[in-house]
Amino acid sequence: GQQLNQSPQSMFIQEGEDVSMNCTSSSIFNTWLWYKQDPGEGPVLLIALYKAGELTSNGRLTAQFGITRKDSFLNISASIPSDVGIYFCAGLYTGANSKLTFGKGITLSVRP
Amino acid sequence: DTEVTQTPKHLVMGMTNKKSLKCEQHMGHRAMYWYKQKAKKPPELMFVYSYEKLSINESVPSRFSPECPNSSLLNLHLHALQPEDSALYLCASSQQGIRYNEQFFGPGTRLTVL
Repeated sequence: GQQLNQSPQSMFIQEGEDVSMNCTSSSIFNTWLWYKQDPGEGPVLLIALYKAGELTSNGRLTAQFGITRKDSFLNISASIPSDVGIYFCAGLYTGANSKLTFGKGITLSVRP
Repeated sequence: DTEVTQTPKHLVMGMTNKKSLKCEQHMGHRAMYWYKQKAKKPPELMFVYSYEKLSINESVPSRFSPECPNSSLLNLHLHALQPEDSALYLCASSQQGIRYNEQFFGPGTRLTVL
């Protein structure tokens, strides 16, 4: 089946630093989604990408849909303590009964 | 109203109990989902309802029984669960059409099976 690779499993940064996360796939997708999940809560949708090459921003977050349609990245600029959480990428190839494929997630820690 | 709500927030049940999880959305979304999530793992899809009809069942054991009474509500009926079923159960919804792929999640129900 389809698999998404997110690595490393954990990242540790200093408050104020920028951080970039990658997500790669062995298959092409036509939708990429980035979610953030806080402990004990449901994932919150951060950014949705629908076109190869698309670059989208949401405040301090920027995400891009890779040209090959097999990857995406998320960049967080000027990190703050509330950026702590687990970041999941998810890909989808739409069709009958299509389903989201999630990456394993990256746990981000921000040192004040 | 742009949120998915889930009740209860926490649930502890014995292996012989019958309980139900509830999910509600008022965004006019016509697709609704149940996911199961273990600690530090991504969500795993269980069921998908599209226009109130079950369209995907990911080979989930029959002790989990979904129900979609109307376009805003989604239930998950639980019976004779096992301790390994303890997890965070997430409900999500999405529109049909061009925004179909954007799934919005509820806060989840933390289920503990004793």
